Amino acid sequence: SQQGEEDPQALSIQEGENATMNCSYKTSINNLQWYRQNSGRGLVHLILIRSNEREKHSGRLRVTLDTSKKSSSLLITASRAADTASYFCATDRGGFQKLVFGTGTRLLVSP
Amino acid sequence: DAGITQSPRHKVTETGTPVTLRCHQTENHRYMYWYRQDPGHGLRLIHYSYGVKDTDKGEVSDGYSVSRSKTEDFLLTLESATSSQTSVYFCAISESRDSGETQYFGPGTRLLVL
Repeated sequence: SQQGEEDPQALSIQEGENATMNCSYKTSINNLQWYRQNSGRGLVHLILIRSNEREKHSGRLRVTLDTSKKSSSLLITASRAADTASYFCATDRGGFQKLVFGTGTRLLVSP
Repeated sequence: DAGITQSPRHKVTETGTPVTLRCHQTENHRYMYWYRQDPGHGLRLIHYSYGVKDTDKGEVSDGYSVSRSKTEDFLLTLESATSSQTSVYFCAISESRDSGETQYFGPGTRLLVL
């Protein structure tokens, strides 16, 4: 069963613009992670936010978490063509570390 | 990239044949996972391992078996491949079972079952 649903499914922007993608989930979580997948490659961990955190930054990435709405957002500021990839949220409900991944947002950043 | 390799990277097989995919890691991580990735479904966990000879089922384990005889190798076997098992398969590893631990992914294996 899918825990996370990303929105939008696809996003197309110009270089320099900000990209925002959202993740909604169904059950309570311990933390939420965001991963990036370049075409034809494996997933790469970007950032983790714990359930007691509301916002976290890492370079050009900003992640928010609203546990009351069971949602998270990933903001990429000043996008670059190299940010073109699919982005997935993954929720961790605790216990043995089994992540449940969402369906992903495909981001296209045009020069 | 973390030291994870998958073999083969691409495979075409026929329905009913057995297929084994290999994941090899050089990180000495205890935990290993097999996922499949399909359009519209994201990644779904097939099986995972928490040590040598210690494995358990994930969300979509039917039709798959796994084995782990060494820390570095985690094998995924499709006993009798079906067209519904056409997918991209990813192996992942993690160092601990702590909540929030990062998983590191291999490059994937594209499997086509005709």
